[in-house]
Amino acid sequence: DAGITQSPRHKVTETGTPVTLRCHQTENHRYMYWYRQDPGHGLRLIHYSYGVKDTDKGEVSDGYSVSRSKTEDFLLTLESATSSQTSVYFCAIKGSVLDNSPLHFGNGTRLTVT
Amino acid sequence: SQQGEEDPQALSIQEGENATMNCSYKTSINNLQWYRQNSGRGLVHLILIRSNEREKHSGRLRVTLDTSKKSSSLLITASRAADTASYFCATPQGGSEKLVFGKGTKLTVNP
Repeated sequence: DAGITQSPRHKVTETGTPVTLRCHQTENHRYMYWYRQDPGHGLRLIHYSYGVKDTDKGEVSDGYSVSRSKTEDFLLTLESATSSQTSVYFCAIKGSVLDNSPLHFGNGTRLTVT
Repeated sequence: SQQGEEDPQALSIQEGENATMNCSYKTSINNLQWYRQNSGRGLVHLILIRSNEREKHSGRLRVTLDTSKKSSSLLITASRAADTASYFCATPQGGSEKLVFGKGTKLTVNP
């Protein structure tokens, strides 16, 4: 799995509570991504990072924030979880800005907001 | 917004048959990538085809790209039960650092 660890793998939380998902990589890759996967929508980009402290929004960033204080860790935070954020969240990494550099994915975090 | 759209959404075939999945996209691209996802796992990169290529092979996989029609196809020959998975096409959006995925084709290969 290209040295990517997502934690936790499963989480159940209540509406309104804060939640932080962690992505840890051992590849020293510059680019890191958070996607969510939902039935009927495929994968949608939430946020991505192109270096320490450098992040940008994806297409579904509302309700999410991210932080990258170290190369190896990319955190996704739901400040106040809602039921619409129930999803499977995938972290991915990319070693190069070159467009032929593929993404490598973690195995996902299944989040349920009740 | 979704860039690539796969067709069909689901495909069920017998072992040994060929499986063809199609992807259409909206804007000009430098390359198109195909990924595979087994149930409960992350996506795995299969193959990349550049905009100046028309066809590419990798083992039992054959990918074609028609930039005039903004479409690509993934052919898996002599399918096996282990090929059962969802398959996604993906294209760079804006700068090459962002990859946009389609909704996927769920392939079931029956033994």
